[in-house]
Amino acid sequence: TQLLEQSPQFLSIQEGENLTVYCNSSSVFSSLQWYRQEPGEGPVLLVTVVTGGEVKKLKRLTFQFGDARKDSSLHITAAQPGDTGLYLCAGNSGGTSYGKLTFGQGTILTVHP
Amino acid sequence: NAGVTQTPKFRVLKTGQSMTLLCAQDMNHEYMYWYRQDPGMGLRLIHYSVGEGTTAKGEVPDGYNVSRLKKQNFLLGLESAAPSQTSVYFCASSFWQEAFFGQGTRLTVV
Repeated sequence: TQLLEQSPQFLSIQEGENLTVYCNSSSVFSSLQWYRQEPGEGPVLLVTVVTGGEVKKLKRLTFQFGDARKDSSLHITAAQPGDTGLYLCAGNSGGTSYGKLTFGQGTILTVHP
Repeated sequence: NAGVTQTPKFRVLKTGQSMTLLCAQDMNHEYMYWYRQDPGMGLRLIHYSVGEGTTAKGEVPDGYNVSRLKKQNFLLGLESAAPSQTSVYFCASSFWQEAFFGQGTRLTVV
C-alpha cells in the first residue's frame, strides 16, 4: 500500500504569516497533486507536479516535488483568511497500480484576520 | 457542464440494508474513483476503474462492490450496511492526472 503522510494535520495562523505543508511517502509516484477542499464540496485541483525537483508557483502558493518523486511541499506566503480550507496531496501510481490515485489525510488550515 | 454527478446527496440506512450510489460523468474520462471521507482521515480510496468493464480494489474495499458497465457510470454498492460505513462518499473521474469530484453523498447507517 502506498501511503502519503501529510504534516501538520492542523495549522492555525495569523493573516500575513507564511506556512509550509509537507507530503511524504516511502513510495515513488508518477506525479503528485495538491487539492483544496471547502466544506460541503469535493476537492478541487490546485496543481500537478510531474518531474523530480520541479517547482511550480501559483500566485502566493509554491509547490515543490522532491528529487526522488516521493515527497512534496506546499508553501503559502503571506496567508490570507481566504486561504482557509482543507489541503490534500494525492499521488498517481504507476506500474501494476496504474491509474490509482491515493490521498494523504489532509491539512486543515485556518487563517485568522 | 454537469461534470461529475452523484446521486443521492443524502441517505439514511438501517443496519443490514443495501443501497447503490450512482456516479455519472459527462467528460468521457477513462478513470473513475470512489472515496470515503471521515474526520481526520482525508480521502480513502474504496475502488477504482481504469476503463469500461474494469474495476480494482483501493485501500478500504471491504463491504463494498462496484461496477463499470458503461464508461460514464460507476456504481458503488453496499450489500449489508454497517454503522462503520457512515461517511461522506465522493466519486471522481479523470483523464490522466486531474481528478474532478462530485458533490458527495452523506450516508448515515443507524
